[in-house]
Amino acid sequence: DAMVIQNPRYQVTQFGKPVTLSCSQTLNHNVMYWYQQKSSQAPKLLFHYYDKDFNNEADTPDNFQSRRPNTSFCFLDIRSPGLGDAAMYLCATSRENSPLHFGNGTRLTVT
Amino acid sequence: GQQLNQSPQSMFIQEGEDVSMNCTSSSIFNTWLWYKQDPGEGPVLLIALYKAGELTSNGRLTAQFGITRKDSFLNISASIPSDVGIYFCAGRDPTSGTYKYIFGTGTRLKVLA
Repeated sequence: DAMVIQNPRYQVTQFGKPVTLSCSQTLNHNVMYWYQQKSSQAPKLLFHYYDKDFNNEADTPDNFQSRRPNTSFCFLDIRSPGLGDAAMYLCATSRENSPLHFGNGTRLTVT
Repeated sequence: GQQLNQSPQSMFIQEGEDVSMNCTSSSIFNTWLWYKQDPGEGPVLLIALYKAGELTSNGRLTAQFGITRKDSFLNISASIPSDVGIYFCAGRDPTSGTYKYIFGTGTRLKVLA
């Protein structure tokens, strides 16, 4: 089945230690998104790619970076995780005006 | 920035009852989406709406795109225990120039058997 896959499902990192979360898709969608979601709050958009064009939200901290080496893969890099960065990170894809398709998320714990 | 207000925030209902929740925006959207999220999982799409006034059903679920394009509602008929979860609306801003979706604050549904 075509889908959005996030790895790992659970990630533990230490305060200040860089961490990378990954997302892959078999839907061949040209738009990929990263959302941050804390304890049952609304998902908050961090950034998205339209093809190779990167769109950063104004309030996304510089600590968060992203890479999209090809259509299928997108990475979220957190350069120096703080305790406040503990959250569920959701990757989603879409094609122009189609709905978002989400992966199952990566729950990040910062110790 | 834009906000989507969802109400109610939470609701407890008896199995078999109908449920209604809505989402309002301070500005016009051209797409409304409704998602359900189970604990520890990603949101799953329930219904997508693309035109003002559009009414769409998916099994026991019905959603409508408000005429003003600033609101949408979701109804669940004859609720069952597996309907428990958090329901989110999401809207796309036609003026953003990008394919950006903003999420509502969520409605937490609990069904009592």
